[in-house]
Amino acid sequence: SYELTQPPSVSVSPGQTASITCSGDKLGDKYAYWYQQRPGQSPVLIIYQDNKRPSGIPARFSGSNSGNTATLTISVTQTMDEADYYCQTWHINSVVFGGGTELTVL
Amino acid sequence: QVRLHQWGAGLLKPSETLSLTCAVYGGSFSGYYWSYIRQPPGKGLEWIGEINDSGSTNYKSSLKSRVTMSVDTSKKQFSLKLTSVTAADTAVYYCAGGQSAAGLKLWGQGTLVTVSS
Repeated sequence: SYELTQPPSVSVSPGQTASITCSGDKLGDKYAYWYQQRPGQSPVLIIYQDNKRPSGIPARFSGSNSGNTATLTISVTQTMDEADYYCQTWHINSVVFGGGTELTVL
Repeated sequence: QVRLHQWGAGLLKPSETLSLTCAVYGGSFSGYYWSYIRQPPGKGLEWIGEINDSGSTNYKSSLKSRVTMSVDTSKKQFSLKLTSVTAADTAVYYCAGGQSAAGLKLWGQGTLVTVSS
C-alpha cells in the first residue's frame, strides 16, 4: 500500500515561515493536497493540486510538490495557524492521508 | 454555500453495524465524489471509501469486506454501512466531498461513533 510520511510536529515563532513536508514514492508524479484541522473541528482544504488555494484561504499558505516530497509553506505564521496539518494524495483509486503534523506557534 | 450534514448512531456494541448518512444542502450533488473518512481519538485521518452520484464506489482495501456505500440522488444523500464493528472502529466519522482532482473541499461536522460492550 502507498504511504505518506509527515513529521509528527513542527514548531515556529510567530511571523516566521513554517514548512511541513510530506514524503511518498514518486509523490511528485501525483497531485498533493493539504488540510488544516483545528482542535475539535472538521478538516479544511487549504491546498489542492500541489499549489492552488481554494477561495478564502490566505495567500500565506502555499504548496509545492516535486520528486518524492510535497511541502506546505506558511509564511508570516500567525498564532491562529496552530493546528494539525495533513497531506493527501490519490493512489490507484484510493485516497491516502499522511499521518499528520502538529504545528506549534510559539 | 454548499454544506454537509451527517447523522447516525453514536454508540454501538461489538459485532453490530455502523450506519451513517450525509445530506448535501445548498448545491449540486452530481459531479462530486462523496467520501467517508474517520479519525480515531487522538489519531490521524483514515479514508474509508467514496461513491459518486452514479453509485460507482472505491473502498479502502483493508475495509472492503465490511464497507458498503450507497447514494440516494433524489434526496441528495449518501450513506455508509460498516459491519461487524469492534472497539478499533471507535472514531469520529466524517463525510466529505469534492470534484475530480480538486480535493475534499466539503466536510460534514463529524459524528463520534463509540463501540463498547
